[in-house]
Amino acid sequence: EAQVTQNPRYLITVTGKKLTVTCSQNMNHEYMSWYRQDPGLGLRQIYYSMNVEVTDKGDVPEGYKVSRKEKRNFPLILESPSPNQTSLYFCASSLSYDSYEQYFGPGTRLTVT
Amino acid sequence: AQKITQTQPGMFVQEKEAVTLDCTYDTSDQSYGLFWYKQPSSGEMIFLIYQGSYDEQNATEGRYSLNFQKARKSANLVISASQLGDSAMYFCAMRVDVIGNEKLTFGTGTRLTIIP
Repeated sequence: EAQVTQNPRYLITVTGKKLTVTCSQNMNHEYMSWYRQDPGLGLRQIYYSMNVEVTDKGDVPEGYKVSRKEKRNFPLILESPSPNQTSLYFCASSLSYDSYEQYFGPGTRLTVT
Repeated sequence: AQKITQTQPGMFVQEKEAVTLDCTYDTSDQSYGLFWYKQPSSGEMIFLIYQGSYDEQNATEGRYSLNFQKARKSANLVISASQLGDSAMYFCAMRVDVIGNEKLTFGTGTRLTIIP
């Protein structure tokens, strides 16, 4: 089944403890991206990747890192999480950046205390 | 920088009625794409419809149509014959076709509730 998977789905952590949220797609998509969703703010793009080894900042990249070593994986790294990074995170992928449809993962709900 | 505005935080509509969800956008670029996504209470994001800036006809997908008015910079989503399953958050989004700016920008969303 074609899908985008994210792990973990739920995470509660403490301020400053490094964490990684994994994202993987099995559709051979070139474009992948990360979003955070906050009430009243909609979805905001954190980082995106046009292809392997090519990443670029979205609208809210501060406090996050990404890497794209393989086409299928695009992990999101929070080196030192803070409470303002408590949010719902979505990974998405599409065949290319100008594709009509992005396929979203199920979301990761992160709470930083 | 591109911007999407959705001015209706919430809407209540009677079942079987048509509903229009408003979306205005702002960009100085000539080539861009506009999208609508649905997010039910279960949380997943579902692609609904796409409109390119050079498309002459309004996009349609089943009960969904996009009322694209380029001069007014609006891209409203029209749902015909609404159903209870249409209750969800709806997000408008845009992408400009500019190398080096391959971002997707979302609006703040409209929560649609269909009343039986």
